[in-house]
Amino acid sequence: EAQVTQNPRYLITVTGKKLTVTCSQNMNHEYMSWYRQDPGLGLRQIYYSMNVEVTDKGDVPEGYKVSRKEKRNFPLILESPSPNQTSLYFCASSLEASGVYNEQFFGPGTRLTVL
Amino acid sequence: SQKIEQNSEALNIQEGKTATLTCNYTNYSPAYLQWYRQDPGRGPVFLLLIRENEKEKRKERLKVTFDTTLKQSLFHITASQPADSATYLCALAGGFKTIFGAGTRLFVKA
Repeated sequence: EAQVTQNPRYLITVTGKKLTVTCSQNMNHEYMSWYRQDPGLGLRQIYYSMNVEVTDKGDVPEGYKVSRKEKRNFPLILESPSPNQTSLYFCASSLEASGVYNEQFFGPGTRLTVL
Repeated sequence: SQKIEQNSEALNIQEGKTATLTCNYTNYSPAYLQWYRQDPGRGPVFLLLIRENEKEKRKERLKVTFDTTLKQSLFHITASQPADSATYLCALAGGFKTIFGAGTRLFVKA
């Protein structure tokens, strides 16, 4: 089944404890992206990757890191989480970054709480 | 800065009627505009994409219009059903970034 998977789905952690949220897609998509979703603010793009080893900042990159060493995986790293990073996180992928195939497929989401 | 506005108030309609949702944007010239559906606790699901040179796109009971002069898209669901109740997000895409609106919650009453 074609899908985007994220792990963990739920995470409660404490301020300053490094964490990684994994994202994997099995559709051979070039483009992958991370978003956070907060009430009233909608989805905001954190980082995106056009292809392996190519990443760039979205609108809200502060406090996050990403890497794209393999085409299928795009982990999101919080080196020192803070309470303002409590949010619902979504990973997404699309066949191309631009073009008619840039509809995005989303993962199920990761609900992160930072105490 | 780029901005997308969707009606933040929920839209309540009766089953069988046409639901019309609005997406307005400023300071942006998107190549594409997309609409997604999101159910509570789930990731958005792609519905329709319309290009800047297209005025209208249809898919089954869904219709999207795109007016680049008004900087507005309208999303219509005809013959609405209770199963259409969800939050609908519009998104602007161009280059490598995508900008999403906050979404409009639709409730369809039986």
